[in-house]
Amino acid sequence: KNQVEQSPQSLIILEGKNCTLQCNYTVSPFSNLRWYKQDTGRGPVSLTIMTFSENTKSNGRYTATLDADTKQSSLHITASQLSDSASYICVVTRWGSYIPTFGRGTSLIVHP
Amino acid sequence: NAGVTQTPKFQVLKTGQSMTLQCAQDMNHEYMSWYRQDPGMGLRLIHYSVGAGITDQGEVPNGYNVSRSTTEDFPLRLLSAAPSQTSVYFCASSSEQGTEAFFGQGTRLTVV
Repeated sequence: KNQVEQSPQSLIILEGKNCTLQCNYTVSPFSNLRWYKQDTGRGPVSLTIMTFSENTKSNGRYTATLDADTKQSSLHITASQLSDSASYICVVTRWGSYIPTFGRGTSLIVHP
Repeated sequence: NAGVTQTPKFQVLKTGQSMTLQCAQDMNHEYMSWYRQDPGMGLRLIHYSVGAGITDQGEVPNGYNVSRSTTEDFPLRLLSAAPSQTSVYFCASSSEQGTEAFFGQGTRLTVV
């Protein structure tokens, strides 16, 4: 069964600190992996998209990595800000499919 | 630019009522999709469309109908609302599957 597991489920950090969120998947064959940020009460916003051949992709203070061999991805947030408080969702799509598999998300709270 | 616009933002229905959730995008995107988001679960795909006149089922299509008569609009119809359809519904669009998806603000639907 195609699955996407995210950890931790929730995370609390202090403003200015770095953090790393994890995503493990079993989706196969792999097409692409996306990270989204979802603020409370709003729709998800795309952060990064990676295909099989991409190991790292950055978007400002957000850096995503992908290891297609171990089927793992991480999202690293540098110098966190209060506005980073949100749910971060990992999404993996199987090659040839239009149906993506969403993780349940990691809820990040950044305290001043 | 408006991006993806969903209406209404909130709706309360009685069991058995029907209604249509509206979704419109102004980016000339071919690919549009509808998701539902329930507490503790990842987003799940209800229906999707790869272009005007073409629609297909996602993971959880039962109880919902869609049509795509124009590139811009992709309405979602609930035929006979049930309490199990209480959820937050998101519409999304992208230029093609696997590229950056733009989500609407969501419709919070309660069926009593």
